[in-house]
Amino acid sequence: DVQMTQSPSNLAASPGESVSINCKASKSISKYLAWYQQKPGKANKLLIYSGSTLQSGTPSRFSGSGSGTDFTLTIRNLEPEDFGLYYCQQHNEYPPTFGSGTKLEIK
Amino acid sequence: EIQLQESGPGLVKPSQSLSLTCSVTGYTITSGYDWSWIRKFPGNKMEWMGYISNSGSTNYNPSLKIRISITRDTSKNQFFLQLNSVTTEDTATYYCARGSMRRVLAYWGQGTLVTVSS
Repeated sequence: DVQMTQSPSNLAASPGESVSINCKASKSISKYLAWYQQKPGKANKLLIYSGSTLQSGTPSRFSGSGSGTDFTLTIRNLEPEDFGLYYCQQHNEYPPTFGSGTKLEIK
Repeated sequence: EIQLQESGPGLVKPSQSLSLTCSVTGYTITSGYDWSWIRKFPGNKMEWMGYISNSGSTNYNPSLKIRISITRDTSKNQFFLQLNSVTTEDTATYYCARGSMRRVLAYWGQGTLVTVSS
C-alpha cells in the first residue's frame, strides 16, 4: 500500500492568514491526490482532487499543488469556517490510502 | 442533491459481526459510480474498506478481505457493510461514500460510531 505522511498534525492561524498542509507519498502517485475537510456533525467535504483541481463549490482561496510524491494544500485568507480536520488521500491505486490528518484551529 | 446516511448498532460484542446500512437519496446506486465504506479510528487514522460498484461487483481492502462483505438492496437504494469476527480494534466511526472519477470520494455520509466492547 502507498503510505501517506501528512504534516503538520496541528496548525493554528488567524483569519486572513495563509496556511499550508503537506502530504508525502511513499512512492510516486502521479498527480492523483485529493484533499478533504472534516467537521464535527457534517459530511466530509471533497475540496480538491487530481492534485490541483477544485471540486465544484470549493472556494478559490483553497489551492493544491504538487506531483509525484510531494503535495501541498494552501488556504489563503483564512475564514473562521475553515477550522476542522484536513486529510489527504492518494487516488492513484487501490487501496486508496489517507494521510494522518491535520487539525486546523482558527485563533 | 445526493445524501448518504449510515445506520446500525452503536455497540457490538467482540467476535460478533458488525452490520451497517447506507441509505442513499438523490441518486440511484445502480446509475453509476462505486459505493464505498471507510472508517476512522480513534486517533484519526482513516482506512478505506471496500466498495460495491453500480453493477454489483465488489473490491475490498486486502487487509480486510477475509472478514468483509459489501452487498446492496437496489429496491431500497441501500448498500450494506458486514464485518465479521470483530475485535476492539474495529472500534471506529464508519462512513459510507460515493466515488467519483478514479477513486475520489465525492460524497460522504456523516458517519456512525461503532464501539466493540463486551
